[in-house]
Amino acid sequence: AQSVTQLDSQVPVFEEAPVELRCNYSSSVSVYLFWYVQYPNQGLQLLLKYLSGSTLVKGINGFEAEFNKSQTSFHLRKPSVHISDTAEYFCAVSDLGNQGGKLIFGQGTELSVKP
Amino acid sequence: GAGVSQSPRYKVAKRGQDVALRCDPISGHVSLFWYQQALGQGPEFLTYFQNEAQLDKSGLPSDRFFAERPEGSVSTLKIQRTQQEDSAVYLCASSNSGGAYEQFFGPGTRLTVL
Repeated sequence: AQSVTQLDSQVPVFEEAPVELRCNYSSSVSVYLFWYVQYPNQGLQLLLKYLSGSTLVKGINGFEAEFNKSQTSFHLRKPSVHISDTAEYFCAVSDLGNQGGKLIFGQGTELSVKP
Repeated sequence: GAGVSQSPRYKVAKRGQDVALRCDPISGHVSLFWYQQALGQGPEFLTYFQNEAQLDKSGLPSDRFFAERPEGSVSTLKIQRTQQEDSAVYLCASSNSGGAYEQFFGPGTRLTVL
């Protein structure tokens, strides 16, 4: 069965510093990969997705992620964070053979940006 | 509205009561998903509809959980004889299709079972 591991449950960082949120998935088949952000009391919003092609994917709000098939990783990065980036971030996977494309989520990483 | 809406936003139920949670997907979206998000956890898949057909219900935790989408638009998730372990946020998402298409999420319904 598919699983997604987010290696850090909480990441505190100072404003304007770079950040990396780590994600590993377990799959021997081709997958689609996603990062979602969840602000308090809101639904999930898509940051970016990897389907195929270039392994470096750029998303909204200055975030980017790199797909590494050999390490089965999809880490999220931002070179300079803002206070407004404080939120919960979820990595998710959907395998290509999965009818409907249901998402398997990691446990989430709470990003806390301090002034 | 332009997005996915869910109602009610908050629901408090006594143990043993039945509840019904509603999801209005984005107009024209074929696929609809339900997820359960326990406190401090990532969302977990419950069930999936393509139009009115329920194609995957492998994530429903027990036979107390039932979902329907009779006209291929609005969906209702029903939980019978609620238990304390059912307390969670229930998220609905819709997409133009499955797989690579983005799933758009609603704000969720927070269910608290006392």
